Amino acid sequence: EVQLLESGGTLVQPGGSLRLSCAASGFTFRSYVMNWVRQAPGKGLEWVSTITGSGGSTFYADSVKGRFTISRDNSKNTLYLQMNSLRAEDTALYYCAKNWPENGGSYSDYWGQGTLVTVSS
Amino acid sequence: DIQLTQSPSFLSASVGDRVTITCRASQGISSYLAWYQQKPGKAPKFLIYAASTLQSGVPSRFSGSGSGTEFTLTISSLQPEDFATYYCQQLNGYPLTFGGGTKVEIK
Repeated sequence: EVQLLESGGTLVQPGGSLRLSCAASGFTFRSYVMNWVRQAPGKGLEWVSTITGSGGSTFYADSVKGRFTISRDNSKNTLYLQMNSLRAEDTALYYCAKNWPENGGSYSDYWGQGTLVTVSS
Repeated sequence: DIQLTQSPSFLSASVGDRVTITCRASQGISSYLAWYQQKPGKAPKFLIYAASTLQSGVPSRFSGSGSGTEFTLTISSLQPEDFATYYCQQLNGYPLTFGGGTKVEIK
């Protein structure tokens, strides 16, 4: 059974940093593209970032480019999102999502339950 | 960037109704479109890929159609468990984008 468990969300001050983690199980992690998608309170879904299975290619939304870094440790089956220079508008529930099909697929077939990041003084 | 516009943003319907949601892309995206369902307090659920192919396990009352710039999600006979918010997503290129969502509520 595929499981994605996000962690690391908390209250942080504007300008601060945070690292989110997503522990994956139930599939061959290194074979799948992974994403972060966020949802501000009461708002819609916003794609944040994508990383290929090897970690060799990464993609970012303009709203986070230069501030956020996606990475993965395939030996630990874990996806990360390093978030720097946080702003109030980064406040959201952050979802980790696995893509399908294997080796480059674009569709997010499994999602975690999310971890809440609140940026406020 | 490719913008996706969903309509309506809100609809009220009864059990058994046929419901259609539209997603329009600001430029052609071939069939690189997915649909997701999200219920309150839950993660999105993957419903349809390649604009019209049902993901395994999704009830056949759901269907998708379209290509290029105009797409539709249809629920042929609305069931109580279908009341949720629906999102389209384009996967034609980065940055990936979602539509604004369509909330389907009980009339």
